[in-house]
Amino acid sequence: QKEVEQDPGPLSVPEGAIVSLNCTYSNSAFQYFMWYRQYSRKGPELLMYTYSSGNKEDGRFTAQVDKSSKYISLFIRDSQPSDSATYLCAMSGYSSASKIIFGSGTRLSIRP
Amino acid sequence: DAGVIQSPRHEVTEMGQEVTLRCKPISGHDYLFWYRQTMMRGLELLIYFNNNVPIDDSGMPEDRFSAKMPNASFSTLKIQPSEPRDSAVYFCASSFRQGQETQYFGPGTRLLVL
Repeated sequence: QKEVEQDPGPLSVPEGAIVSLNCTYSNSAFQYFMWYRQYSRKGPELLMYTYSSGNKEDGRFTAQVDKSSKYISLFIRDSQPSDSATYLCAMSGYSSASKIIFGSGTRLSIRP
Repeated sequence: DAGVIQSPRHEVTEMGQEVTLRCKPISGHDYLFWYRQTMMRGLELLIYFNNNVPIDDSGMPEDRFSAKMPNASFSTLKIQPSEPRDSAVYFCASSFRQGQETQYFGPGTRLLVL
């Protein structure tokens, strides 16, 4: 079993829809949770970053962490064609020596 | 800062040839990471360096792969001899610290081994 599981998609939704992207994980030591966005033929870039459980909002994006269920989500409101990309969840432990473990990514397409 | 720089951006080679990928991290970053990305396996960490010293190479698939960081501004990932199953996008990333610190990725090198 992988440490981090992510549905690869692809996920296609109409412009303006609410998008929900999810990851599950098995390692209870994970404390930091991140979402990276990767446009086609580009490197991943950090989109959202949360520590421990709870929600974090940044504009149209909301990251949610449920440590009791080992489940994290990224919500995109009022989705735009420019949001079309692959979204990778990532997580690491508390120690500064912890490696970041990435999910395999979900490919998202927003239809105009 | 120009960000993480990788070269070449694309590489096509024949099986058995040596391949060298290059990376220049962001100035001041103490950590450098090499990743490989494929459709089947996603983003895999191959090796990472701290202050030019290799810390964890457990992700390096075989002895055919080697990585060096001779100074703070340059790193190479070498595959010798290359095989078709090495075809992937190879990313270099750098950060101030390990773990929870944001990693900044380069544009990647798209490698095709025929």
